[in-house]
Amino acid sequence: DTGVSQNPRHKITKRGQNVTFRCDPISEHNRLYWYRQTLGQGPEFLTYFQNEAQLEKSRLLSDRFSAERPKGSFSTLEIQRTEQGDSAMYLCASSLVGGGNEQFFGPGTRLTVL
Amino acid sequence: ELKVEQNPLFLSMQEGKNYTIYCNYSTTSDRLYWYRQDPGKSLESLFVLLSNGAVKQEGRLMASLDTKARLSTLHITAAVHDLSATYFCAGSMNSGGYQKVTFGTGTKLQVIP
Repeated sequence: DTGVSQNPRHKITKRGQNVTFRCDPISEHNRLYWYRQTLGQGPEFLTYFQNEAQLEKSRLLSDRFSAERPKGSFSTLEIQRTEQGDSAMYLCASSLVGGGNEQFFGPGTRLTVL
Repeated sequence: ELKVEQNPLFLSMQEGKNYTIYCNYSTTSDRLYWYRQDPGKSLESLFVLLSNGAVKQEGRLMASLDTKARLSTLHITAAVHDLSATYFCAGSMNSGGYQKVTFGTGTKLQVIP
């Protein structure tokens, strides 16, 4: 399977704990995006990487959130001191420069904060 | 800032019927996308519309774009149960060299046999 993959698929954690999610984009895609989707809503943009550079972060991304893409391949999204309001589906997408910006989404990581 | 609104938010329709989902956006959008999402699953790209008057069709779904009216439509012809899903439209604007995508809230479609 050469699509976007995300791990874990589900994560249940207690409030105050730290969590880290991983995204592996389509191998030749140099752009990578993180979105958050809550129930009944569309995905909301969190952050964007071109290769290893993080070029934009949403206001939604508080200082408890950090994302990295150290070698321009896979990316991680860490949430520190989780809160119940962080419960959501975290989606990763990737695209190719010049490819009409068509973003291909991974299966998502569903986070539940108790 | 680009805002995207869809209507209706919920749509229950019988198999064999036709219907249209509307997507309005607030300001100039460089591209318009339609995605499908099944419950608990990720988003599947359906269409990318790049220019005024663009029309794309795949099976029972047809998407069109009117940039002057800032309106895109997703038309469903002779619906079948397999089309039951949530459909999102999304617009994009150039943001520092890439297309920043903004999604609508989605239209949940239920096709009743």
